[in-house]
Amino acid sequence: SQQGEEDPQALSIQEGENATMNCSYKTSINNLQWYRQNSGRGLVHLILIRSNEREKHSGRLRVTLDTSKKSSSLLITASRAADTASYFCATAALYNFNKFYFGSGTKLNVKP
Amino acid sequence: GAVVSQHPSRVICKSGTSVKIECRSLDFQATTMFWYRQFPKQSLMLMATSNEGSKATYEQGVEKDKFLINHASLTLSTLTVTSAHPEDSSFYICSALYRGWRDNSPLHFGNGTRLTVT
Repeated sequence: SQQGEEDPQALSIQEGENATMNCSYKTSINNLQWYRQNSGRGLVHLILIRSNEREKHSGRLRVTLDTSKKSSSLLITASRAADTASYFCATAALYNFNKFYFGSGTKLNVKP
Repeated sequence: GAVVSQHPSRVICKSGTSVKIECRSLDFQATTMFWYRQFPKQSLMLMATSNEGSKATYEQGVEKDKFLINHASLTLSTLTVTSAHPEDSSFYICSALYRGWRDNSPLHFGNGTRLTVT
């Protein structure tokens, strides 16, 4: 990808379980964002974390950011079948933060 | 709010023809729009950044004469794939930045255009 990698590439869990996805990036950032993409559709913004933040919550989502390791994680708690989608992290570069680069994505399958 | 409309959602064209894809921000002004390309089961590749009233900035390796971008107004950007070839077949997605970079704003995406060149 243009910016970094996500792992795992694919994740299959049972409904009710937690799902954790990780993202690594290459350059210094202004902020990091997570997006969700349903098959064949555009992306939907989930959550944004600034470079001076370490953790953020939104509903069943929890995002952490470690700028020293250039990595972030997205935790979805109590997953539902409707959470099945691909999840991407995107970073806004520190000195050009109107430009966004996406990670390679994690394809999550939540089995009912 | 912050709806981005992309049209068409799907297009099939013959090799050698040109295809125009429109991206509109319906309820906000987008000073910056982005065009991405996505191959099957892969991530989004940033092709170009489009600012209203100025020339687009293309990423390295993207042919500006091949992928013409016009950002004529604060609510409309177009991507024209010129002289399309089968290798241009892909999923193209536009996104718009609401209120610009100062606000750590998220991107708002269109639903994408599936281009198939035969």
